[in-house]
Amino acid sequence: GDSVTQMEGPVTLSEEAFLTINCTYTATGYPSLFWYVQYPGEGLQLLLKATKADDKGSNKGFEATYRKETTSFHLEKGSVQVSDSAVYFCALSPSGGAQKLVFGQGTRLTINP
Amino acid sequence: GAVVSQHPSRVICKSGTSVKIECRSLDFQATTMFWYRQFPKQSLMLMATSNEGSKATYEQGVEKDKFLINHASLTLSTLTVTSAHPEDSSFYICSAKANTEAFFGQGTRLTVV
Repeated sequence: GDSVTQMEGPVTLSEEAFLTINCTYTATGYPSLFWYVQYPGEGLQLLLKATKADDKGSNKGFEATYRKETTSFHLEKGSVQVSDSAVYFCALSPSGGAQKLVFGQGTRLTINP
Repeated sequence: GAVVSQHPSRVICKSGTSVKIECRSLDFQATTMFWYRQFPKQSLMLMATSNEGSKATYEQGVEKDKFLINHASLTLSTLTVTSAHPEDSSFYICSAKANTEAFFGQGTRLTVV
């Protein structure tokens, strides 16, 4: 079945460091790919998405490119801030859109000043 | 963006009792809501799809008699964990579909003692 594998955390970085959180997926067909972020005490929020191969999603300085050849959707940010500390989830929607989602296990990111 | 409110955020109950978790879409109508469960250091796993005015669709391996889902209105879905046991202790999250995006509640931490 469909699955998402995420880089295990926790990840701890200093402010202004470069961030990569790896995400690979297994799916039949042409899924849509998502990154969600969960700040402490809050619900998951959509960070960015890509709906087809070679699409790049971007938001708040974060980027991820839908790579069909490597079945990956790695999250990157050039210079992280303390406020980026959160749990990040990679997910796919097998049929696209906002139907049921398949999630990775989440990566806890802590940014130290 | 759309807001989904989940209540309660934390609940502790005794083994054998039932617990109800509410998921409300505050500023939009949701014909479809989703219930997820997350075990420590694991992915969010879809439990069921809740459809307004009809029976929920449960994922394989989820006991429908144990996890009762009711979606009686376009803004409210409830998950009732019946005869709870310690192994039901987990983090439960709902989401509601608005157009092509899913919006998540804050989650409910259930502890069964």
